[in-house]
Amino acid sequence: AQSVAQPEDQVNVAEGNPLTVKCTYSVSGNPYLFWYVQYPNRGLQFLLKYITGDNLVKGSYGFEAEFNKSQTSFHLKKPSALVSDSALYFCAVRTKGGGNKLTFGTGTQLKVEL
Amino acid sequence: DTAVSQTPKYLVTQMGNDKSIKCEQNLGHDTMYWYKQDSKKFLKIMFSYNNKELIINETVPNRFSPKSPDKAHLNLHINSLELGDSAVYFCASSQDKGISGANVLTFGAGSRLTVL
Repeated sequence: AQSVAQPEDQVNVAEGNPLTVKCTYSVSGNPYLFWYVQYPNRGLQFLLKYITGDNLVKGSYGFEAEFNKSQTSFHLKKPSALVSDSALYFCAVRTKGGGNKLTFGTGTQLKVEL
Repeated sequence: DTAVSQTPKYLVTQMGNDKSIKCEQNLGHDTMYWYKQDSKKFLKIMFSYNNKELIINETVPNRFSPKSPDKAHLNLHINSLELGDSAVYFCASSQDKGISGANVLTFGAGSRLTVL
């Protein structure tokens, strides 16, 4: 079985400060890892993914994530947060050969304040 | 042009009624999905179709029946609605090519179902 944990329900950060949204995963086999963002009353939007190769993945809107196999983590980061980054962030995992089943974490609400 | 469109966006109905939510994608994708997001924002896959063939059928009550008339459409019909069915239902699509499982999902804006 595959699962994803997002240990923080909410993360608060001041605009201009770096942000981190945590994600750990559990799979048998190599994981495919994703981050999606959901703005209020909208569907999820893809941010970035890790499939293979470089552990540091860069995505949309200046976000990046680092795959750490030993810690089974895929934390989302941004060097300088914007108020417009405030949204609900979901980490998700699939496995090769696991078909189309994408398992989401419980989501982390990011609040960026002035 | 909306890539994945769902109708209706809002649906308020009484317990026991039957309702349908429609989804259409114009991306040329061959896989479509239904996800349910509950009041705590938890997302869970319900169904997945690939070229009109059901490939994922999670533990969902039989009252929920998906139908895919063609690969651009995936509808969700719900019979005998219950209070616990109140949620936001998201349709999504993806193109299955390249590395299996690595494809990105494109989501619709969601259909908020309220059962009274």
